[in-house]
Amino acid sequence: QSVLTQPPSASGTPGQRVTISCSGSSSNIGSNYVYWYQQLPGTAPKLLIYRNNQRPSGVPDRFSGSKSGTSASLAISGLRSEDEADYYCAAWDDSLSVYVVFGGGTKLTVL
Amino acid sequence: EVQLVESGGGLVQPGGSLRLSCAASGFTFSSYAMHWVRQAPGKGLEYVSAISSNGGSTYYANSVKGRFTISRDNSKNTLYLQMGSLRAEDMAVYYCARSEAKNTVAGTVFDYWGQGTLVTVSS
Repeated sequence: QSVLTQPPSASGTPGQRVTISCSGSSSNIGSNYVYWYQQLPGTAPKLLIYRNNQRPSGVPDRFSGSKSGTSASLAISGLRSEDEADYYCAAWDDSLSVYVVFGGGTKLTVL
Repeated sequence: EVQLVESGGGLVQPGGSLRLSCAASGFTFSSYAMHWVRQAPGKGLEYVSAISSNGGSTYYANSVKGRFTISRDNSKNTLYLQMGSLRAEDMAVYYCARSEAKNTVAGTVFDYWGQGTLVTVSS
């Protein structure tokens, strides 16, 4: 049972816009930055979004992040086949002895 | 270019020990807190441990506290994870990761990850 809640799966057709939600609490998303990672099959996670809505250099602007209260979202517009991957949200948690918490991951399928 | 390269994974019997290493390059290693994250086969990401930039503070998930020890050698740009009393549930790919912000552990998460090293716990 992950501390952050994500839908286990999402899907879309090429060109569509897809959003993935991430729900937490006041001790994590509510008071700290949200990060999003993309994990392609057999590879390490890669940073997609940091500090709620910032994109690292090299990440296409098709990817965007937002946060409101204790929830966050990752949006992918102009969906492409290479976007098929697992997506994880993460945040620091201020609770004692918890530190970093993750969502359970969302498997994105491009139909 | 930031690079993190893990090594030291392998097959170990339940109750055994293993030391993982993470060699860092392409950035000022001593300015960043570092972390270990693991992923069991077919499962999601699980936080393991962190260490401050100067090694003075360490953090552990409850699942590994008392069994794992994180350390670093800033002169060698290397992060370590000494794992003991290994259990079947410790079997996973272990990733080292760099804190997104300099000189802080709390509040931010990771930017760069290594490629991971697989730890298999089996008799």
